[in-house]
Amino acid sequence: EDKVVQSPLSLVVHEGDTVTLNCSYEVTNFRSLLWYKQEKKAPTFLFMLTSSGIEKKSGRLSSILDKKELSSILNITATQTGDSAIYLCAVGPLSSNTGKLIFGQGTTLQVKP
Amino acid sequence: ETGVTQSPTHLIKTRGQQVTLRCSSQSGHNTVSWYQQALGQGPQFIFQYYREEENGRGNFPPRFSGLQFPNYSSELNVNALELDDSALYLCASSQRGGPDTQYFGPGTRLTVL
Repeated sequence: EDKVVQSPLSLVVHEGDTVTLNCSYEVTNFRSLLWYKQEKKAPTFLFMLTSSGIEKKSGRLSSILDKKELSSILNITATQTGDSAIYLCAVGPLSSNTGKLIFGQGTTLQVKP
Repeated sequence: ETGVTQSPTHLIKTRGQQVTLRCSSQSGHNTVSWYQQALGQGPQFIFQYYREEENGRGNFPPRFSGLQFPNYSSELNVNALELDDSALYLCASSQRGGPDTQYFGPGTRLTVL
């Protein structure tokens, strides 16, 4: 059964800290891995990683895909209170032509001032 | 904001009733996916619509059904509501044949009493 697992489930840090969020997956014929940020309701797209694009960076956020270890990390440097949110990892399996995304349970990040 | 809209924002129903949720996809997108997100969990894939037909379904019973219209907007219908149907229902739009990235709407919070 296809599965995505995120760790830790929750994290509390102070402003300025650096955090690393983890995502591991077991899917039939991996196609892509996506990171989303969910603050209140709508998950907001952050990055998509594929075999041809295993590293992405945008400002203080960066993500790396390790296809050998079937995992990905999301790094946030110099955290700010506005980074407080749930971070979701999702995988798109090649075996599904439906565009189905399989999500992990999310990591809740709280950044204290 | 993604341009994906959903209505209503909140909804309260009683067990056994029926509900219809609506979604308008982002301009240029022809595919709509529906997800259920229970409290503290990641979104779970319900089904996807492309060219007005269901194109893949997750592990949800037949009382969950949907429609897609020629303008690519979509409805999610749930019959015989159960208490466990209480959740955030998210709609996501994407372009078939394009990247796996799905863009989410703000969701509808359904409470079943």
